[in-house]
Amino acid sequence: GESVGLHLPTLSVQEGDNSIINCAYSNSASDYFIWYKQESGKGPQFIIDIRSNMDKRQGQRVTVLLNKTVKHLSLQIAATQPGDSAVYFCAENMPGNQFYFGTGTSLTVIP
Amino acid sequence: NAGVMQNPRHLVRRRGQEARLRCSPMKGHSHVYWYRQLPEEGLKFMVYLQKENIIDESGMPKERFSAEFPKEGPSILRIQQVVRGDSAAYFCASSPSVVNEQFFGPGTRLTVL
Repeated sequence: GESVGLHLPTLSVQEGDNSIINCAYSNSASDYFIWYKQESGKGPQFIIDIRSNMDKRQGQRVTVLLNKTVKHLSLQIAATQPGDSAVYFCAENMPGNQFYFGTGTSLTVIP
Repeated sequence: NAGVMQNPRHLVRRRGQEARLRCSPMKGHSHVYWYRQLPEEGLKFMVYLQKENIIDESGMPKERFSAEFPKEGPSILRIQQVVRGDSAAYFCASSPSVVNEQFFGPGTRLTVL
């Protein structure tokens, strides 16, 4: 999992390949999860969400997988494009509480 | 429907001055969150407010920082007597409820000289 104060983990992929970004969340009571994308100089943007009663959800070119047993979340991006280069954050929400964000992973797509 | 708006987008202050950051949530959203982001780091939660109430300020430094979300007008994050270590991007997010996704503003980049 990510730790406070460390530099961002980085992932480099070739254009057209699939990307997998991982996130370990902290609280077994969390029941709602979101992946955000943050491009340089901008605020985070919603990509996809998943609730704890599901283990997989698909969007356009993106899939989120949830493994509650090991408290692990992943984001899969199919056919990665240069425009996918950004920092990706997972966020967990416990009932009645606000969201807690992971440190993030920096994705670089190599043309 | 306009998104979350923050102003100013860039703010330069000298040490010891005050910084006021404003956030107008999306229409219909009564929940506002403030985050701080240092370069190459993740979002650090600071404070969560609903209209006229601070719900959770566990991430906010005890001194010099304060936040409000009045009945009318934007939410304000106020930093008094700024120091160089306050230089960061400050993001505001809003949501219609605590269990919905948060929509982020473009951020205010504070530079303390």
